[in-house]
Amino acid sequence: NAGVTQTPKFQVLKTGQSMTLQCAQDMNHNSMYWYRQDPGMGLRLIYYSASEGTTDKGEVPNGYNVSRLNKREFSLRLESAAPSQTSVYFCASSEGQPYNSPLHFGNGTRLTVT
Amino acid sequence: AQSVSQHNHHVILSEAASLELGCNYSYGGTVNLFWYVQYPGQHLQLLLKYFSGDPLVKGIKGFEAEFIKSKFSFNLRKPSVQWSDTAEYFCAVNALRTGGYQKVTFGTGTKLQVIP
Repeated sequence: NAGVTQTPKFQVLKTGQSMTLQCAQDMNHNSMYWYRQDPGMGLRLIYYSASEGTTDKGEVPNGYNVSRLNKREFSLRLESAAPSQTSVYFCASSEGQPYNSPLHFGNGTRLTVT
Repeated sequence: AQSVSQHNHHVILSEAASLELGCNYSYGGTVNLFWYVQYPGQHLQLLLKYFSGDPLVKGIKGFEAEFIKSKFSFNLRKPSVQWSDTAEYFCAVNALRTGGYQKVTFGTGTKLQVIP
């Protein structure tokens, strides 16, 4: 089982460039999430999608946009990258309400913005 | 708002030593609690979870955690660590609420280094 698949694994951008991080899950999960992980700060939620057709902001949404393309796919877009967005990005999925099941994570995307 | 505190940022132990990592959360209602582990260069994986029932839960690889409601704590323990337990450990809380999304809040993580 693939689980949660993220692409790319690594990316280097120059300030001002744009890019889209892709995420797909094959577990028929309702909810999907984008987190960023920074040293000493744990995981912070950027955006989430509670179910297909809905998206909403998390703790740190500024500078990002998302699209829930269908039940399987949830993409994260950086319109104009900034050095502060250098981070490791994780996509996750879960069954969602009312199950409150554990999150399943992808392998992450390491993004460097110069 | 819910929050999670992990008091130890970096722990260094020798093999066979006992481990206890602290986790406290703040939320007055019903919670689900999780410990995730992240091995070097990998993604987060579920170590164990508490939903209800016996407050002492057992997870994979010999880890266990105890939910103490009165102390808002969910500490992770292992009687004897191995070098392969070197990883970063995250406590997470899901505050149960009707409607809305499944909001999971993570602690800042504890890096465990086990010395052979």
